[in-house]
Amino acid sequence: NAGVTQTPKFQVLKTGQSMTLQCAQDMNHEYMSWYRQDPGMGLRLIHYSVGAGITDQGEVPNGYNVSRSTTEDFPLRLLSAAPSQTSVYFCASTNRDYGYTFGSGTRLTVV
Amino acid sequence: DQQVKQNSPSLSVQEGRISILNCDYTNSMFDYFLWYKKYPAEGPTFLISISSIKDKNEDGRFTVFLNKSAKHLSLHIVPSQPGDSAVYFCAASANFGNEKLTFGTGTRLTIIP
Repeated sequence: NAGVTQTPKFQVLKTGQSMTLQCAQDMNHEYMSWYRQDPGMGLRLIHYSVGAGITDQGEVPNGYNVSRSTTEDFPLRLLSAAPSQTSVYFCASTNRDYGYTFGSGTRLTVV
Repeated sequence: DQQVKQNSPSLSVQEGRISILNCDYTNSMFDYFLWYKKYPAEGPTFLISISSIKDKNEDGRFTVFLNKSAKHLSLHIVPSQPGDSAVYFCAASANFGNEKLTFGTGTRLTIIP
């Protein structure tokens, strides 16, 4: 049971480039979320999904897109990377009976 | 506006003693609270939770206390062990299992052998 798998673990982008952070879970969880962690800011919710085909914005959605075509996958797209998007990104999932299970994170640097 | 606050960025405790981590919240709609533990280069892991209908929840060495009137919760770790050294995040949601968690800024706990 792999839990929540995030790829890549590290990425360096140039300003203006686009990329997709992948997230997959094998626990058949309905709910999935993307958070970013910045120094002194805790974890902030970017986007979340309550099931396949349903997504909504969190606290800091600007500059990011998501889609949920399957229960297992919840990719996060950076449309045009900016230095302010340098952060550590965490994907998480839950079935509501327990706390969220988090992936190990993607460390993104935008130069 | 930080709705969940952890005012102590760091805490050092002697091994074997009690560690007390504090968390305050401002949103009266929060009724479910969680603590997560995070090691470097790993994702947060769920530790313990409490519903607003309770004022205490225990799980082994970990106990969470909730004071609704003060909008305050605390995590007690007894006895503290070196493996407890990590960053601890408090989180809250508006109903059990709500998909939107609001996190505090974290407290780095260091257990001194």
